[in-house]
Amino acid sequence: DAGITQSPRHKVTETGTPVTLRCHQTENHRYMYWYRQDPGHGLRLIHYSYGVKDTDKGEVSDGYSVSRSKTEDFLLTLESATSSQTSVYFCAISGGQELSGANVLTFGAGSRLTVL
Amino acid sequence: QKEVEQNSGPLSVPEGAIASLNCTYSDRGSQSFFWYRQYSGKSPELIMSIYSNGDKEDGRFTAQLNKASQYVSLLIRDSQPSDSATYLCAVGLITGANNLFFGTGTRLTVIP
Repeated sequence: DAGITQSPRHKVTETGTPVTLRCHQTENHRYMYWYRQDPGHGLRLIHYSYGVKDTDKGEVSDGYSVSRSKTEDFLLTLESATSSQTSVYFCAISGGQELSGANVLTFGAGSRLTVL
Repeated sequence: QKEVEQNSGPLSVPEGAIASLNCTYSDRGSQSFFWYRQYSGKSPELIMSIYSNGDKEDGRFTAQLNKASQYVSLLIRDSQPSDSATYLCAVGLITGANNLFFGTGTRLTVIP
């Protein structure tokens, strides 16, 4: 998956526990994203980053926080997981080197999270 | 809320036929349009991008864009069983990181 590694790939946790998903890239791309994918909703943007320590909210950011301390790592944290956060989470990167580049996404393999 | 609409399918076509996938969008300011293919249990992968009205061809794939009608389509010629997947339409502005919106996808099955 083009130098993008997500971990863990699968996780089962209980309601109320904290969860952190990690995205690691070796492409030195500027933009990194976290999406969730649910049946009937498609891919929805949770948070994104446009540089080290530069992050912003997406469409469905409530209940999630992110951090980017290095170009290559983008962490997604669920402070207190709820059953509604059961989903498949995809990290994506884009280069943004060209005018249209910021929207050309490459996705990681995904992390399947189940909150019981 | 910017909307991207796709027929969820499933769309079934025989091997060798042309598969036609359609997508409509609500934001007239949209400038960039993408088709992603997603196999079951896998991540989306980009197969086509289009920015100008008209057709763009890449191998067996043709993307068609009509901004006046707010409509983008993907044609797959000589469909193969390996084309069986869900196809996601994504629409956004010409640049920027937070303005890409995805449809829910159309599931395509190519019957041998």
